[in-house]
Amino acid sequence: SQQGEEDPQALSIQEGENATMNCSYKTSINNLQWYRQNSGRGLVHLILIRSNEREKHSGRLRVTLDTSKKSSSLLITASRAADTASYFCATLKKSSGDKLTFGTGTRLAVRP
Amino acid sequence: DGGITQSPKYLFRKEGQNVTLSCEQNLNHDAMYWYRQDPGQGLRLIYYSQIVNDFQKGDIAEGYSVSREKKESFPLTVTSAQKNPTAFYLCASSVQRTGNDRQYFGPGTRLTVT
Repeated sequence: SQQGEEDPQALSIQEGENATMNCSYKTSINNLQWYRQNSGRGLVHLILIRSNEREKHSGRLRVTLDTSKKSSSLLITASRAADTASYFCATLKKSSGDKLTFGTGTRLAVRP
Repeated sequence: DGGITQSPKYLFRKEGQNVTLSCEQNLNHDAMYWYRQDPGQGLRLIYYSQIVNDFQKGDIAEGYSVSREKKESFPLTVTSAQKNPTAFYLCASSVQRTGNDRQYFGPGTRLTVT
């Protein structure tokens, strides 16, 4: 089964609004990463947050990690039409050695 | 996509034929990975390699084979034993062998088998 499960599966918002996506996982992790994928393209890395970190920022992106709840959230502030993409979380489990496990993704549509 | 190339972008094959997907990186990364993505799904790991001449099976290795003869190259062969080969295939690399680092992805190859 997938280690990371994103919620919601799909999200549609108006340009300028904030978008929040959540990721839950089952086992202890070393780090959690967020990636973005435009339709038919490769993935682009957004943020990596380690298990001893609680929050990280990068531009309009904010990622939080709550290891007690085994969950993470990705917030995109002041969204733009160009943010339309699928967003995936990926976890590096402590037991997996060096393999990332990807979730099924959240499809974000930002309406102009 | 910078630094990792995958070719071709689209590939069509007849059932029963083996096909090899190319992945090359010029980032001097030790680790390389192959993933499969089906429509509306996340990525599933096929094979990965942490060093030249060594590779490990991922979660869905059956019907696939790889080689790592050069640091820059990690080709994937989809054999006729793979029951459902039609998918989007993504290659990635990372600096560290431990996985405790970001991965860089290529643009992908969409394989269609009829």
